[in-house]
Amino acid sequence: KAGVTQTPRYLIKTRGQQVTLSCSPISGHRSVSWYQQTPGQGLQFLFEYFSETQRNKGNFPGRFSGRQFSNSRSEMNVSTLELGDSALYLCASSLGRANTEAFFGQGTRLTVV
Amino acid sequence: GNSVTQMEGPVTLSEEAFLTINCTYTATGYPSLFWYVQYPGEGLQLLLKATKADDKGSNKGFEATYRKETTSFHLEKGSVQVSDSAVYFCALTYNTDKLIFGTGTRLQVFP
Repeated sequence: KAGVTQTPRYLIKTRGQQVTLSCSPISGHRSVSWYQQTPGQGLQFLFEYFSETQRNKGNFPGRFSGRQFSNSRSEMNVSTLELGDSALYLCASSLGRANTEAFFGQGTRLTVV
Repeated sequence: GNSVTQMEGPVTLSEEAFLTINCTYTATGYPSLFWYVQYPGEGLQLLLKATKADDKGSNKGFEATYRKETTSFHLEKGSVQVSDSAVYFCALTYNTDKLIFGTGTRLQVFP
């Protein structure tokens, strides 16, 4: 069974640009969550999608957005990039029932210069 | 709100030493508790979990017991290996899929 796949693995962008990250969940999983990991703030929840609907949202500005497709694949977009957006972005998939375990991808390392 | 507190790292041990990484939580109700491990350059891997009080999660020699009375979920291993060197995260969920993580504890094991 394939795991969670995130693409690309590494990305370098310039301040002010926008970026789109992709996540393919484990087959059969309908929930996809996104997390930002930085040395200063640790792991912070961005948002969760279930069956193409955003079900939970963290405390991030509107520049961070996401969507989920009918095949459960998800994308997140960050517009008007800032230096502080440099981070490891992790995607997690799960069955979508409360308190079930989440399986993480290897992450996308975004560097904003 | 809900939160997780982990002991500061790094934890430095010799191979075959006993490991404890402390984790306490604050939550309304009864959350599910998890330990995740992150190896260098990798995402997070679920190590073990417990979903109700007094449950013991175990995997690969690691154990943690859900203690409601002390709101704790300490990670233990009787004999660590060099290959256990990684960052360990304690986390909880409560009625959602949203994971709330502790700050992580780096473990360094030397031969």
